[in-house]
Amino acid sequence: EAGVAQSPRYKIIEKRQSVAFWCNPISGHATLYWYQQILGQGPKLLIQFQNNGVVDDSQLPKDRFSAERLKGVDSTLKIQPAKLEDSAVYLCASSLILAGASNTGELFFGEGSRLTVL
Amino acid sequence: SQQGEEDPQALSIQEGENATMNCSYKTSINNLQWYRQNSGRGLVHLILIRSNEREKHSGRLRVTLDTSKKSSSLLITASRAADTASYFCATDARTGNQFYFGTGTSLTVIP
Repeated sequence: EAGVAQSPRYKIIEKRQSVAFWCNPISGHATLYWYQQILGQGPKLLIQFQNNGVVDDSQLPKDRFSAERLKGVDSTLKIQPAKLEDSAVYLCASSLILAGASNTGELFFGEGSRLTVL
Repeated sequence: SQQGEEDPQALSIQEGENATMNCSYKTSINNLQWYRQNSGRGLVHLILIRSNEREKHSGRLRVTLDTSKKSSSLLITASRAADTASYFCATDARTGNQFYFGTGTSLTVIP
């Protein structure tokens, strides 16, 4: 079974430029998450999708970050304009479990996209 | 923030020794999970313990959960050099299946 695919693996940009990250979850996984992981810290949830709808984006800095999952499969996360503090690894994860379901399950993570803002 | 905290931040042990790391969290949970992250890689799920469970085993892993103290511990027995990684606990909110990660414990196992 193919895992969660992310691209690009590495990206270096100047501040105020824009960048986009792509994620392809495991086939059949309805729920998709984007996390931001700053060096030395734990992953911070940015946004959660169920199919093509947003479940939780309360921690997404909406003035500069946007994300979409138009067809309920692939997702893109965009930053425009980037700031120095956006330097981090952006992790995508997917899960079979639906939001609000009484059961729960594990998250499957991609390898991440490392962003450096100069 | 619902993010938990792991303790210690860093742990260095000799191969064959046991490693114990702790996680404290703030809100009521459905379950708690532990993940491992090798340097420069994504996170990998290790074990899940539900809020109505107190202890769970999986191979060399033993997890305990104390909901009254809002804390969990992960024990890795007979550690190996390959166990060198960062370990994170993750809790989910009562609804929505959002997963919140702790600050992590960096484990180094010296051969």
